Amino acid sequence: DAGVIQSPRHEVTEMGQEVTLRCKPISGHDYLFWYRQTMMRGLELLIYFNNNVPIDDSGMPEDRFSAKMPNASFSTLKIQPSEPRDSAVYFCASSHSPTPQYFGPGTRLTVL
Amino acid sequence: DAKTTQPTSMDCAEGRAANLPCNHSTISGNEYVYWYRQIHSQGPQYIIHGLKNNETNEMASLIITEDRKSSTLILPHATLRDTAVYYCIVRADLIQGAQKLVFGQGTRLTINP
Repeated sequence: DAGVIQSPRHEVTEMGQEVTLRCKPISGHDYLFWYRQTMMRGLELLIYFNNNVPIDDSGMPEDRFSAKMPNASFSTLKIQPSEPRDSAVYFCASSHSPTPQYFGPGTRLTVL
Repeated sequence: DAKTTQPTSMDCAEGRAANLPCNHSTISGNEYVYWYRQIHSQGPQYIIHGLKNNETNEMASLIITEDRKSSTLILPHATLRDTAVYYCIVRADLIQGAQKLVFGQGTRLTINP
């Protein structure tokens, strides 16, 4: 299995631009998670899906952030408009209950 | 979820056993202890988990005290590649079937040659 796949691995954009991060979970996993990691706040859960349905988005910082999962093999996290404080590493993880979560390599986002 | 306390950093010599402690004195009866690690610039990696009994897999052993208020992750023969931040997480499984992991600051383990 290829594991969780994330793209792009690195993204540099300017403030105000739209950013879309992509994730392909492990085949057969029915849970998908989006995390954000910064030096100040560590690893934070933003949102998670079960069977493509958002279950808990309480970690999403504000309305500029949105996440979708149109099918079992694809999810996006969108930031519009982006701000410098959104600079972080964004991780996607997937699991098949009750197995542990498996994380992707992350997307390093820099907003100038 | 119960709160965990871990040392900020630890050192271990290559080839020796690395013992990483974790305190979780407020753990509930149905809460599992999970260990993940994060090697620099990579995503967190699952290591092991347990409820009451000690557990062992190809990566590590998990020793949970009888009162379940603390646990120790043991890497039996540490290598330089084990240098990472190790996270101890306590959570209840099967909250809507998902693991809602809450990561603390973890222990930065450095393996020295």
